[in-house]
Amino acid sequence: AQSVTQLGSHVSVSEGALVLLRCNYSSSVPPYLFWYVQYPNQGLQLLLKYTTGATLVKGINGFEAEFKKSETSFHLTKPSAHMSDAAEYFCAVREDSNYQLIWGAGTKLIIKP
Amino acid sequence: IAGITQAPTSQILAAGRRMTLRCTQDMRHNAMYWYRQDLGLGLRLIHYSNTAGTTGKGEVPDGYSVSRANTDDFPLTLASAVPSQTSVYFCASKINGAAGELFFGEGSRLTVL
Repeated sequence: AQSVTQLGSHVSVSEGALVLLRCNYSSSVPPYLFWYVQYPNQGLQLLLKYTTGATLVKGINGFEAEFKKSETSFHLTKPSAHMSDAAEYFCAVREDSNYQLIWGAGTKLIIKP
Repeated sequence: IAGITQAPTSQILAAGRRMTLRCTQDMRHNAMYWYRQDLGLGLRLIHYSNTAGTTGKGEVPDGYSVSRANTDDFPLTLASAVPSQTSVYFCASKINGAAGELFFGEGSRLTVL
């Protein structure tokens, strides 16, 4: 069965610093991978996705993620954090058998002024 | 504005009472989902529907039921609420033909006492 692991339930960075949120997955076939963001008291929205092709994918708000098959990783990065990036971020992989999404537990990003 | 509408946004309920959470979308998406979100556990799928007239069980279906009489509506019913069903519930729909791009409602916060 596929699974998703997000390292760190909370990540704290200073405004202007690099953001790195880690996601590792398990999958026996080439995966479809996703990052979603949840702002306080809102539903989730798609940040970016990897399906096929270029392994570096760009999303909204300056975020990007790189699919690394050898490391089974799909880490999310942003060069310079803004206060508005404070939110919870979820990594997900698409299940092969029924195309449902398997979710990580989420990482709360805290931005320090 | 196109999207998903969930109601109520918040509810406090006595244990043993019946409760229906409503979800309506106006995007003509075929697939719809109900998730619950609990601290540290991420999102867990309760029930889903791939198209009107069909439903399926997710990861945590016990104590919940759904129906899909038409494309737009996907209500979630708790027949006899228990305190462990205290959670934030999210309804989502999947863009037709998309790999895993879900569109989420704003959530319904349910407290069972």
